[in-house]
Amino acid sequence: DAGVIQSPRHEVTEMGQEVTLRCKPISGHNSLFWYRQTMMRGLELLIYFNNNVPIDDSGMPEDRFSAKMPNASFSTLKIQPSEPRDSAVYFCASSMGQKQETQYFGPGTRLLVL
Amino acid sequence: ILNVEQSPQSLHVQEGDSTNFTCSFPSSNFYALHWYRWETAKSPEALFVMTLNGDEKKKGRISATLNTKEGYSYLYIKGSQPEDSATYLCAFRGSTLGRLYFGRGTQLTVWP
Repeated sequence: DAGVIQSPRHEVTEMGQEVTLRCKPISGHNSLFWYRQTMMRGLELLIYFNNNVPIDDSGMPEDRFSAKMPNASFSTLKIQPSEPRDSAVYFCASSMGQKQETQYFGPGTRLLVL
Repeated sequence: ILNVEQSPQSLHVQEGDSTNFTCSFPSSNFYALHWYRWETAKSPEALFVMTLNGDEKKKGRISATLNTKEGYSYLYIKGSQPEDSATYLCAFRGSTLGRLYFGRGTQLTVWP
């Protein structure tokens, strides 16, 4: 199993540019989570989907952030326009939606907004 | 906002020492408590999922206990090795479809 796949692994962009992060969950998993990791706030949940439907987006910082899951094998997190304070590592995780619900994390995308 | 506290924030031990750290979480509406191991420059990896009060899980030299009535879990590492150096995260879940609430982690460094 390839595990959760994220791309790109690193992104450097200038303030004001649009950034799109991509995630492919583990095949058969029906829950997908986007997290952001910063020194100040640790690991925080941005949004999660169950069966492709957004369930809780209360962690999305503001309107500049949007996430979609058009099908069971693909999700995007978009930041438009990006700001320096968005610099962080963004993790995607997926789970089977069963009782135990271990979340399996991808390798993360390290984003730097200049 | 739901509070999950971990202590200590960081820990430095010598190789061979045994160590333990604590995760505190709300004692109401408990569904599951997860432990993850997070090495630098990698992604978090699941260690245990615990659901029952009094649960005890073990994986090699690492074990964990759970007290849902008082809202805490302990993680123990017996005979720490340098490769155990990582941040250990706990995460609380309060409903079957609920999100995980992560603590800030305990950063463990094991010196050879």
